[in-house]
Amino acid sequence: AQTVTQSQPEMSVQEAETVTLSCTYDTSESDYYLFWYKQPPSRQMILVIRQEAYKQQNATENRFSVNFQKAAKSFSLKISDSQLGDAAMYFCAYRSSPRQGAQKLVFGQGTRLTINP
Amino acid sequence: GAVVSQHPSWVICKSGTSVKIECRSLDFQATTMFWYRQFPKQSLMLMATSNEGSKATYEQGVEKDKFLINHASLTLSTLTVTSAHPEDSSFYICSAREDANTEAFFGQGTRLTVV
Repeated sequence: AQTVTQSQPEMSVQEAETVTLSCTYDTSESDYYLFWYKQPPSRQMILVIRQEAYKQQNATENRFSVNFQKAAKSFSLKISDSQLGDAAMYFCAYRSSPRQGAQKLVFGQGTRLTINP
Repeated sequence: GAVVSQHPSWVICKSGTSVKIECRSLDFQATTMFWYRQFPKQSLMLMATSNEGSKATYEQGVEKDKFLINHASLTLSTLTVTSAHPEDSSFYICSAREDANTEAFFGQGTRLTVV
């Protein structure tokens, strides 16, 4: 079974600075997807960024980018120019590709990100 | 992104009663819906996966007779907590996706309090 580990329960960063959230995972599959979700105080889960394992290029979405290291099974999220609205719980998640494995999301434990003004 | 609506946002019920939570995909047909439970300051725990027109697949340790899931149409899935007890109090979240090649979108969640 796949597992996802987020080793940082809490992180904080000064507004406008850059912060990196860590995520490692374990799988024997070769094709899969990785995600970062944001859960603000409203508790609505919001997809931040997605990475397909077969793509070598790291995904980026405006101020959000990932560092995907497939061999190391590492998938970190970098938030640049942090804004107060980025304060939330961030979850790393894994999903098998449609061609193999269960299609459910496997979540990490989460990292609570605080933005200091 | 696509919209998934969950209702109610919060509900308080008496111990021993049943409560139903609805999850609707508003602008797409959801062949698969997922139900999660989230305890305070914890991650999401998958309870079950439901495919339209078939029985839900429950995760290990989830009581299928207590958490009844129905996915009778391509836009609606329901979770019924039967004979609720205070320990069932939690935040329940649904997600829905059109097919295996598309993303799953999440509802707003339902806070259930059993008194």
